[in-house]
Amino acid sequence: KQEVTQIPAALSVPEGENLVLNCSFTDSAIYNLQWFRQDPGKGLTSLLLIQSSQREQTSGRLNASLDKSSGRSTLYIAASQPGDSATYLCAADGSGNTGKLIFGQGTTLQVKP
Amino acid sequence: NAGVTQTPKFRILKIGQSMTLQCAQDMNHNYMYWYRQDPGMGLKLIYYSVGAGITDKGEVPNGYNVSRSTTEDFPLRLELAAPSQTSVYFCASGPGVGVNQPQHFGDGTRLSIL
Repeated sequence: KQEVTQIPAALSVPEGENLVLNCSFTDSAIYNLQWFRQDPGKGLTSLLLIQSSQREQTSGRLNASLDKSSGRSTLYIAASQPGDSATYLCAADGSGNTGKLIFGQGTTLQVKP
Repeated sequence: NAGVTQTPKFRILKIGQSMTLQCAQDMNHNYMYWYRQDPGMGLKLIYYSVGAGITDKGEVPNGYNVSRSTTEDFPLRLELAAPSQTSVYFCASGPGVGVNQPQHFGDGTRLSIL
């Protein structure tokens, strides 16, 4: 059974710092790995999707990597801003044909001005 | 574009009552999903559908029912509400297999059962 874990549960950094969020999964047979952002009281917004054949994806100041052999994904945020404060969730799609996602618990990020 | 629309946004139920959470998407997605999120936790899949007339159970289906009569709508029914069903419910849709695009989520329904 696939399990997804995110550590730490919460992180506080000063503005401008580069940071890495971690995601680990137990079953390497994944179809893709997705990172989402969740603002308080809101739904999830997709940030990056890494297919199983890819090693990384980039969007602006965000870079996500995938290492299936070690069961790990990281989300790198460069030059953090207060507007980056949110909860970040990773999710593994191990189904391949239904899109069912297994989510981690999330990392709540606070970027202080 | 509306994307995924969920109604109501908030609801308080008494134990034993029933209700239907509504979800509609306007992106012509075949795949739709219902998740629940408990405080401090990630999302868990309740039910999903790969097309009109087809539904299947997810990880935590007990106490819930779904139907999918159209591509656009995917309502979630709670029968005999229990305090353990207090949660935030998210509906999502996706384009389907082979497209490798992320799911789109609604803003959620916050449900309290007292």
